[in-house]
Amino acid sequence: GQNIDQPTEMTATEGAIVQINCTYQTSGFNGLFWYQQHAGEAPTFLSYNVLDGLEEKGRFSSFLSRSKGYSYLLLKELQMKDSASYLCAVRAPAYSGAGSYQLTFGKGTKLSVIP
Amino acid sequence: KAGVTQTPRYLIKTRGQQVTLSCSPISGHRSVSWYQQTPGQGLQFLFEYFSETQRNKGNFPGRFSGRQFSNSRSEMNVSTLELGDSALYLCASSWTTSGGGSDTQYFGPGTRLTVL
Repeated sequence: GQNIDQPTEMTATEGAIVQINCTYQTSGFNGLFWYQQHAGEAPTFLSYNVLDGLEEKGRFSSFLSRSKGYSYLLLKELQMKDSASYLCAVRAPAYSGAGSYQLTFGKGTKLSVIP
Repeated sequence: KAGVTQTPRYLIKTRGQQVTLSCSPISGHRSVSWYQQTPGQGLQFLFEYFSETQRNKGNFPGRFSGRQFSNSRSEMNVSTLELGDSALYLCASSWTTSGGGSDTQYFGPGTRLTVL
């Protein structure tokens, strides 16, 4: 089975840096995704990691360690508009021997940015 | 390029009724996945269609079904609605499901279903 854990809620101050962690246990691995979801809206793609290391994209960076089953999303220079839920998702074979993959999502981390 | 579109955006039904939701993927995308999102359970995978065939299915009862048409548009149907089916139903499209970064899923705005 697939298991993905991330903190339920976090609060951070405008202008600060925040790190949202995600740990996973999956049968197979073919990439880890981070999505941002504002209340009442659809998730939007933020980042993708398939190899170990850090991927940087503007104010957002994502890190992956496959051996530890661990990822984090780093948000720098926080802005009020960054208040949203952040979803960690792992892509893995749909079942043993499958030729297709399936995304399994964590329950999301609700980030509140305060002045 | 237009994004993923879903219709209707909001729906109110009563217990026992059935409902059909529609999803049009990004042009060129052949895979459509459906998810149910609730506050308690988060995003849960319903099923995925590729080239008009259901490739994967999540752990949902048979009341939940879907199909995909030759133009990659997809519909999902829920029969005999229950109160617990109230949720945001999201569809996501991607190029294929064979893995790789290009298979990033892009989500539509969702259909908010309320069952009374």
